[in-house]
Parts: sequence; structure tokens; C-alpha cells
Amino acid sequence: SQQGEEDPQALSIQEGENATMNCSYKTSINNLQWYRQNSGRGLVHLILIRSNEREKHSGRLRVTLDTSKKSSSLLITASRAADTASYFCATDGVRGNTPLVFGKGTRLSVIA
Amino acid sequence: DGGITQSPKYLFRKEGQNVTLSCEQNLNHDAMYWYRQDPGQGLRLIYYSQIVNDFQKGDIAEGYSVSREKKESFPLTVTSAQKNPTAFYLCASSPRVLISNTGELFFGEGSRLTVL
Repeated sequence: SQQGEEDPQALSIQEGENATMNCSYKTSINNLQWYRQNSGRGLVHLILIRSNEREKHSGRLRVTLDTSKKSSSLLITASRAADTASYFCATDGVRGNTPLVFGKGTRLSVIA
Repeated sequence: DGGITQSPKYLFRKEGQNVTLSCEQNLNHDAMYWYRQDPGQGLRLIYYSQIVNDFQKGDIAEGYSVSREKKESFPLTVTSAQKNPTAFYLCASSPRVLISNTGELFFGEGSRLTVL
């Protein structure tokens, strides 16, 4: 079962613009993570935000979490062509001891 | 370098044949996972293992089998019972199966299986 649902499914922006992707989930969580996948490659972990955190930054990445709305957003500022990839959110269950469940992802295209 | 190695990267199979995808990690992680990814889709969990000689079914285990005889290795066999095996298969590991202190997953580069 897929817990997270990303929105939009695809996003195309110009280099230098900001990109915002959203993730909604259904059940309570301990943590939410964001991953990046270049075409035909494995996923790479970007950032983890815990359920008691509201916002987290890492370089050009900013993640927010609203547990009351069961949603998260990933903001990439000053995007570059190299940011072109698919981005996935992943959640674990509040009971713990269960593997991550991934959403379907957002395909981001950054046009130079 | 520490990491996860999947092989082969590309594999072609005739209908009715079983194939085994290899996954090896040298990160000393306890937990390992197999996910399937179809075009434009997210990842769906096939099997995972928390410890040697133990594994659990994920959401789409039918038609697949695994073994965990060594900590470093978690091979996946796609059997002829899997009705639609053409997909991209991703192996991952983590220090432990996710509990209250969830950690990140480390992924291999994937194996693309095509059934002819």
C-alpha cells in the first residue's frame, strides 16, 4: 500500500526558479523522508523530518511537515538543471518496526 | 567503498524461466529490502529481512522468493509464477528495520528485468 501521494505528478520550471513538491499521507507517522532518483538509477536520501519537527533545512532544500494535515512539502530553491530527477516522499508507521512506504513521486524538470 | 551492489544491471528472461537478482552490501546493515518500480510509479515492497535467516513478505510478494543466508547478501528470485515481472528492481539496506528512530535507506543502482 502506498502511504504517501506526491503532488504534482510532474513539474517543469526554469533554472533559478524555486520548485515545490507536496506529499500527503494517510496514517500517523514517526518520520517522513524525501528521496531523489535520477532516471534509471537508485534512490538517494535527501532529508528526514521527525513528527515533532515542523521545518528542516539542508542546503537549498527546505522541508515542512504538518501532522494535523498529514502533509509535507519539499522546496528546492534556486533550482539547477542538475536537480532534474524524480522526488519521492516516504513514511514509516507510528508503531515502528515497519519498512518505509513510498509515494509515486514528482518528476521535476529544470530547464536551462 | 561502502555501498550496495546489484547485479546484473540489465536482464532478459523468457517466459517461464526463473531468474535471480543479486544484492550485496558491505555497510554492515542488519536490514535489507527489495522494492519493485514500474514506469511512472513509486516503489512497492516485495520482501524485507531484519536479520539473517529471517524475512517477511511485503505488499507484492506473490511470485517472488528470497533468502538471507548471510548478512551481506539478499538475493531475489523472480519465479515463473510472477505474472508481470518486467520492472525495475531496487535493493536497499538500513542499519535496522525502522523502529522509533527511523534511519535512511541506502539503495543500489537497480536491476532492470525484461521478459521477452
